[in-house]
Amino acid sequence: NAGVTQTPKFQVLKTGQSMTLQCAQDMNHNSMYWYRQDPGMGLRLIYYSASEGTTDKGEVPNGYNVSRLNKREFSLRLESAAPSQTSVYFCASSGHIMNTEAFFGQGTRLTVV
Amino acid sequence: GQQLNQSPQSMFIQEGEDVSMNCTSSSIFNTWLWYKQEPGEGPVLLIALYKAGELTSNGRLTAQFGITRKDSFLNISASIPSDVGIYFCAGQLRGSQGNLIFGKGTKLSVKP
Repeated sequence: NAGVTQTPKFQVLKTGQSMTLQCAQDMNHNSMYWYRQDPGMGLRLIYYSASEGTTDKGEVPNGYNVSRLNKREFSLRLESAAPSQTSVYFCASSGHIMNTEAFFGQGTRLTVV
Repeated sequence: GQQLNQSPQSMFIQEGEDVSMNCTSSSIFNTWLWYKQEPGEGPVLLIALYKAGELTSNGRLTAQFGITRKDSFLNISASIPSDVGIYFCAGQLRGSQGNLIFGKGTKLSVKP
């Protein structure tokens, strides 16, 4: 039972490059989330998807786009990476948007040089 | 944005000691959650609280949802080395959906 799977686990980008972080969950959850974690900052919500076909901005959406490809998959795209986007990115899912018991993936450590 | 004040930032304790950490806010929350994160891993849910005054245990862990709905605490009794990690509180604001607000974490170190 994989839970929430994120790929890749590590990535180094040059400033201005683009990339997509992938996330998939096998728990039949309706809601999915992307967070970033910076040292001493806790986790901050970038975007979320309450259900298939919907996406909404979180606390720090600038510089990111998301796609809820289907119920299982929720991707995060950086169109033009900047050093300020160096962070650890976590995908999470929950049964529905009002169920806050979120399950997290193992994270993607992204460095932008 | 909204903030959760989590304290202490770090703790260095001896194995067998009890631990207490808390989160406070000026805002009212519908839900309080406590997560543990180990190096290189994502946060793992420990306890979820949904009602003011609720006291919930999970093994040696006990957490409470404050009566004012603006705070929560987590206690760990008889700590062991595998309790090492960063503990995060998280809350969902009253009237919001989907957006968990996280504290900055309490880093726990346990000396055998």
